[in-house]
Amino acid sequence: GNSVTQMEGPVTLSEEAFLTINCTYTATGYPSLFWYVQYPGEGLQLLLKATKADDKGSNKGFEATYRKETTSFHLEKGSVQVSDSAVYFCALTNSGGYQKVTFGTGTKLQVIP
Amino acid sequence: DARVTQTPRHKVTEMGQEVTMRCQPILGHNTVFWYRQTMMQGLELLAYFRNRAPLDDSGMPKDRFSAEMPDATLATLKIQPSEPRDSAVYFCASGYTPGQGTDTQYFGPGTRLTVL
Repeated sequence: GNSVTQMEGPVTLSEEAFLTINCTYTATGYPSLFWYVQYPGEGLQLLLKATKADDKGSNKGFEATYRKETTSFHLEKGSVQVSDSAVYFCALTNSGGYQKVTFGTGTKLQVIP
Repeated sequence: DARVTQTPRHKVTEMGQEVTMRCQPILGHNTVFWYRQTMMQGLELLAYFRNRAPLDDSGMPKDRFSAEMPDATLATLKIQPSEPRDSAVYFCASGYTPGQGTDTQYFGPGTRLTVL
């Protein structure tokens, strides 16, 4: 079956530091890949996505590249801000037919001034 | 700015009571998901509807949980009787799939349930 593995948190960074949150996946076929973000007290919201190999998703300074050869979709940001403090979820879904979204366990990011 | 709405936002109840949570998906969306989030288990899918028909409720304890979509603008998740282990944040999400597969899900703010 499908699975998503994320690096464990929490991750604590100083403001303006470089961020990487690792995500690897196991899936059949050609999944679509997502990063969702959950701010305190809120629901998840889509941060970025990529639907095929070598695609790069980007939003709000965050980027992730769909690497089929390494089955990875690592999240990066060049300079984090305090407002980026949240929980980040990597997720995937297969195209074709009914497919559930498979979420990772989430990685908590704390950015300190 | 279309959003998924959920009511109530917070619910405190006693063990054995019935709890009903409601969700209004984004207008035009045809898929609805119910999730439960806890510190221990993370995010768990409870039920999934497409075009108001239940497609997957394998994640839901059948003896006490039920999920329905009486119409396209309302999804409900009911727990009867509730137990302390049901304490969690329950999220509803909606999306649109034109035919096959799923794409982006839009989450509501959640219902925080505490069962004493």
